Amino acid sequence: EAGVVQSPRYKIIEKKQPVAFWCNPISGHNTLYWYLQNLGQGPELLIRYENEEAVDDSQLPKDRFSAERLKGVDSTLKIQPAELGDSAVYLCASSSAARVNTGELFFGEGSRLTVL
Amino acid sequence: AQSVTQLDSHVSVSEGTPVLLRCNYSSSYSPSLFWYVQHPNKGLQLLLKYTSAATLVKGINGFEAEFKKSETSFHLTKPSAHMSDAAEYFCVVSDLFYNQGGKLIFGQGTELSVKP
Repeated sequence: EAGVVQSPRYKIIEKKQPVAFWCNPISGHNTLYWYLQNLGQGPELLIRYENEEAVDDSQLPKDRFSAERLKGVDSTLKIQPAELGDSAVYLCASSSAARVNTGELFFGEGSRLTVL
Repeated sequence: AQSVTQLDSHVSVSEGTPVLLRCNYSSSYSPSLFWYVQHPNKGLQLLLKYTSAATLVKGINGFEAEFKKSETSFHLTKPSAHMSDAAEYFCVVSDLFYNQGGKLIFGQGTELSVKP
């Protein structure tokens, strides 16, 4: 089966510009996550969706970050405006109802953002 | 609050020698613990998980980990390293009531290098 697909893989922008990342989860996976991974650190949860509902967005900086998961499939994460400190890898993961309670998430390859 | 500490940021071994990646956790409750692996330019992949069953857990690619409550440790081992094991390894603890929507909390990672 196809894995979690993310795009773009790499993005370089100047500060104050907007940027968007797209994620297509594994078919049939109702749970979708966005994680932030800073250099040399482990991933940190930004937001978790169950179908189209954001069930945990407590770690999402809502002044500049937004996310949506229309129709409960693909998801988009947006940053506007981007700051230098947003340079990081943004990871998308998904899980099925059968596996989410076991802690098994399936991750995409990530979108690496560089803000100049 | 749950937390996890990976005691080594980088481990280097020779091919064919044993691997030991150390992890200590902090939890007020009986935790669920995981090891994930991240190969270069690849998505994170679940290696193994402990969820209060057998304390010695076997995972993929010959890795195993032992849950030791008295030492609050969950170290990852492999008897004989292979070149393909070179990657970043993350120890992960679940937030309280993961099966009710809790979070996975990642350690900072240990980079494993394997020398020929």
